[in-house]
Amino acid sequence: KAGVTQTPRYLIKTRGQQVTLSCSPISGHRSVSWYQQTPGQGLQFLFEYFSETQRNKGNFPGRFSGRQFSNSRSEMNVSTLELGDSALYLCASSLEYSTTGKHSPLHFGNGTRLTVT
Amino acid sequence: KQEVTQIPAALSVPEGENLVLNCSFTDSAIYNLQWFRQDPGKGLTSLLLIQSSQREQTSGRLNASLDKSSGRSTLYIAASQPGDSATYLCAVESQAGTALIFGKGTTLSVSS
Repeated sequence: KAGVTQTPRYLIKTRGQQVTLSCSPISGHRSVSWYQQTPGQGLQFLFEYFSETQRNKGNFPGRFSGRQFSNSRSEMNVSTLELGDSALYLCASSLEYSTTGKHSPLHFGNGTRLTVT
Repeated sequence: KQEVTQIPAALSVPEGENLVLNCSFTDSAIYNLQWFRQDPGKGLTSLLLIQSSQREQTSGRLNASLDKSSGRSTLYIAASQPGDSATYLCAVESQAGTALIFGKGTTLSVSS
């Protein structure tokens, strides 16, 4: 069974540009979450999608957005890039959304390393 | 506001040693707690998930315990191996449907 796939693995962008990252969840998983990981702040939650609807959003500016498609694949977009957006962006999928009462572990992809110059 | 702390930030042990990693959280009303492993440049691998009603979970040489009343969880690794070298993170889901809140991790180095 294939794991969570994130593309691309590495990206280098300049300030002011925008970027789109892609995530394909494990087959059958309907929940997709995005996290930003930096050395200073650690892992911080961006948003979660379930059945094409954003169910949860972290404390990030509106430059960060996402969406989920009917096949559960998800994309996140960052507009007007800043140097501080340089980070490892991780996507995670799970079988169920937490409010179903089923405790589904998260399965993470290997991330996209974004460098903003 | 829930906060998760992991101490120490780094740990070095010789191969074969049993060790304990610590995780503490400020709000004891949690939904579940997960332990993850992260290898350099890679994503996270889920090791153990403890539901709020459980006291511990075991997988192979790993045992995780949960004490909600004291706001603590421990990850016990038996007979450590060099392949166990990685960063270990714990994460708390405070309420059903809320995002995981992560600690900053403990980086473990096991020398042969």
